[in-house]
Amino acid sequence: NAGVTQTPKFQVLKTGQSMTLQCAQDMNHEYMSWYRQDPGMGLRLIHYSVGAGITDQGEVPNGYNVSRSTTEDFPLRLLSAAPSQTSVYFCASSYSLGSPSYEQYFGPGTRLTVT
Amino acid sequence: AQKVTQAQTEISVVEKEDVTLDCVYETRDTTYYLFWYKQPPSGELVFLIRRNSFDEQNEISGRYSWNFQKSTSSFNFTITASQVVDSAVYFCALSEAPYSGTYKYIFGTGTRLKVLA
Repeated sequence: NAGVTQTPKFQVLKTGQSMTLQCAQDMNHEYMSWYRQDPGMGLRLIHYSVGAGITDQGEVPNGYNVSRSTTEDFPLRLLSAAPSQTSVYFCASSYSLGSPSYEQYFGPGTRLTVT
Repeated sequence: AQKVTQAQTEISVVEKEDVTLDCVYETRDTTYYLFWYKQPPSGELVFLIRRNSFDEQNEISGRYSWNFQKSTSSFNFTITASQVVDSAVYFCALSEAPYSGTYKYIFGTGTRLKVLA
């Protein structure tokens, strides 16, 4: 199993550009989520999904969109990049079965810089 | 609302010292889950332990041990005889079991542990 994969690993954007961060998992996990990690702020939840077709907002959703058309994929879209979105982005997945009792598996992260 | 507090931003110890990382949580639910993750300098996030709210037994895994106390809403992590390879950022996290079917994991801000040789 590849686990959770994220592409790209590094990205530089100019203010106002849009892009999609890709996330895929091959573990048939129902639950997937996106976090951003900033110095001193820990991991903050952007959006999450408990299954295909179901998404919800986390703590810091503004400026980001998600969709979940398949169990495997959970892309994160930046609509109009801003310097405040410079961060490291992690995708994660876990078993669900309707319960948040399972640990999350994390991808390697995407380091995004917006100039 | 859910909240996880890791008040220790950074801790430095000398190798072979014991160190405890604190985690205090807030939740309104009676059923919830607590987690610890490790983020070494390479950047990946590694799962260490899961504990549910009904199991207050302490757990030991090698040099690692965890102390869960519902009375103080704490889930502390102790490393015994620390080693340089323990240098990392450690995150505590909380999730609740809602009735609505959707749920979130909430992370603390992390504690950076530096183990000096």
